[in-house]
Amino acid sequence: RKEVEQDPGPFNVPEGATVAFNCTYSNSASQSFFWYRQDCRKEPKLLMSVYSSGNEDGRFTAQLNRASQYISLLIRDSKLSDSATYLCVSGQLIWGAGTKLIIKP
Amino acid sequence: EPEVTQTPSHQVTQMGQEVILRCVPISNHLYFYWYRQILGQKVEFLVSFYNNEISEKSEIFDDQFSVERPDGSNFTLKIRSTKLEDSAMYFCASSVDRGNSPLHFGNGTRLTVT
Repeated sequence: RKEVEQDPGPFNVPEGATVAFNCTYSNSASQSFFWYRQDCRKEPKLLMSVYSSGNEDGRFTAQLNRASQYISLLIRDSKLSDSATYLCVSGQLIWGAGTKLIIKP
Repeated sequence: EPEVTQTPSHQVTQMGQEVILRCVPISNHLYFYWYRQILGQKVEFLVSFYNNEISEKSEIFDDQFSVERPDGSNFTLKIRSTKLEDSAMYFCASSVDRGNSPLHFGNGTRLTVT
């Protein structure tokens, strides 16, 4: 069965700290991966695509490790507005349950 | 920025009734999707649609469900004979293509079956 697994959290992190999430996937043939963020009772919104070479967008860095079949997301200098659930997705069909992040002042 | 729109935002229906959820995908997108999220649970893929036919569907998408693109802009999800367990947020999404393209989601329709 094709699955994506995430630590559900919540991660309680002080403002300004660095936080990292990991996500594992079971289908070795998966080609594309994404991180979405979802605020409470809202739709998922794309945070970033994940490329094999790793990619960075401001305070956010995503990495893909195909050998170990995991994806990571690093958030530096966390803001209160980063509080949300972070969803790891394989392709467009296989969704992780999400990791809840709470940034505290 | 173009966006996916969904109506209604909230639908309340009685068990056994039929509901139609509506979506207008982004105009130049070619792939359309429906997802479901039961409160407190993960996003679940229901169905994808391309070139006026279903391209993929999940185990959840049984005979109770159907999708249609009745004109050039709308994309609908019909749920026949609703059950209590159909209560969930239903999200429509669209993408430029499959696989490597990110999804653009609508705001969702909250379906409550009583």
